[in-house]
This record gives sequence, C-alpha cells and structure tokens, in this order.
Amino acid sequence: AQSVTQLGSHVSVSEGALVLLRCNYSSSVPPYLFWYVQYPNQGLQLLLKYTSAATLVKGINGFEAEFKKSKTSFHLTKPSAHMSDAAEYFCAVSTDAGGTSYGKLTFGQGTILTVHP
Amino acid sequence: GAGVSQSPRYKVAKRGQDVALRCDPISGHVSLFWYQQALGQGPEFLTYFQNEAQLDKSGLPSDRFFAERPEGSVSTLKIQRTQQEDSAVYLCASSLVSPSYGYTFGSGTRLTVV
Repeated sequence: AQSVTQLGSHVSVSEGALVLLRCNYSSSVPPYLFWYVQYPNQGLQLLLKYTSAATLVKGINGFEAEFKKSKTSFHLTKPSAHMSDAAEYFCAVSTDAGGTSYGKLTFGQGTILTVHP
Repeated sequence: GAGVSQSPRYKVAKRGQDVALRCDPISGHVSLFWYQQALGQGPEFLTYFQNEAQLDKSGLPSDRFFAERPEGSVSTLKIQRTQQEDSAVYLCASSLVSPSYGYTFGSGTRLTVV
C-alpha cells in the first residue's frame, strides 16, 4: 500500500522568496516519486521525478526536490518564487509496474501556492 | 499525437443520463490510466489498461462506471445513469510500462451533473 501526505493545503509567499512545499510518503517497496503542477482548468504537468538515481532531483522552472528515505520525505523547493508559479501542486508516489500496483499513482491532496507581489 | 488528448473538455449531463468520455493516448504508450479528481482534491485512481487488457478496475466507484480500450489505443470511460456525486474532472494518463519513464496527462474532461 502507498500513500502521500502534503502538509499545508495553502502556502503563500512573496515574489522572490523561498518556496517550500512539503510531501511525506508511505510505501512498502522502493518508491518512484513525482511532483506535478496544475494550472486552473488544465491537466497535470510533470515538474520532476525521483526514480532511484540521484536523491536531489532538478526539474523544470527552477524547482528541485530531495528524496530523504530516512524521513520518507520528498519536499519541493524553489529559491525564488515568481508570480507565474502560482498554481496547485501535487506530490505523487508509485511503485514498479510489477505486482498488482501496475505503477498507478497515488496523489496527495494538493497544495495551492499563492505568490504575492 | 504529441500528447494525450481528451474529449469533450466539458460535459454537462442531466442526472440519469449516460455519458462517454474519450482518451487518445500517446502513440506507443502501453499503459493507460483513468483518474477522477473531485473539486479541491487530488486525483484518485479509477482503472488501468495494459494495451487492451483492463488489469485493474479496483478504483471504479460503482458498477455504473465502465471503461474499455478495445484496440489498445483509444479508451472510453462510460458512466451510466449519472448522479450528482459523479461531477468531477476525469483525467487520462498514458505511459510506457515502467513508471520510471513518467506519465503524460491529458487536460481532462470536466463533468457536471445537474
């Protein structure tokens, strides 16, 4: 079984400030971890993914995340927020396609990021 | 095509009406998933196809929901006798077999049952 908890349904930052969105996961086998962004009335766009290579993963638009196995965390960060970063962000976990999980994604509840000028 | 295409983008159905939602995945993608995203929630898994075989339908909320992918490419999610609680965005995603390659999502179909 796998699950994801995103801490904080809303995060508000000033433009230029650090962005930190928190994600903790639970998985009985080595996980694949993803961060997606969703703009209003749009689908999900992949920001970055962890697939058991480097634990610090760099993604698009200046975002990065660090996989910490001991803390079962995969927090998303960006050094300097931009107005265009305002959106909803989802953390998700999947496992290998073998077995009965078939690689399906389990999502967190989402975090809405607001960026103030 | 270059991405996952879903149609229609918006659907308004009267309660009790049947609806069909279409997903056209990326060519060559073996795996196809359907997710349901209620307002203010994260997407939740509905069903999974590997080529034309529906290997997991554990997330379908009731027997009013039915999905098919007869030729291993285009998939249709059908909801019979729609109810208000079916109102949600239905997302389709496709991928190669291993999740390490990632998933590509369509823009979704927003279903509103009135």
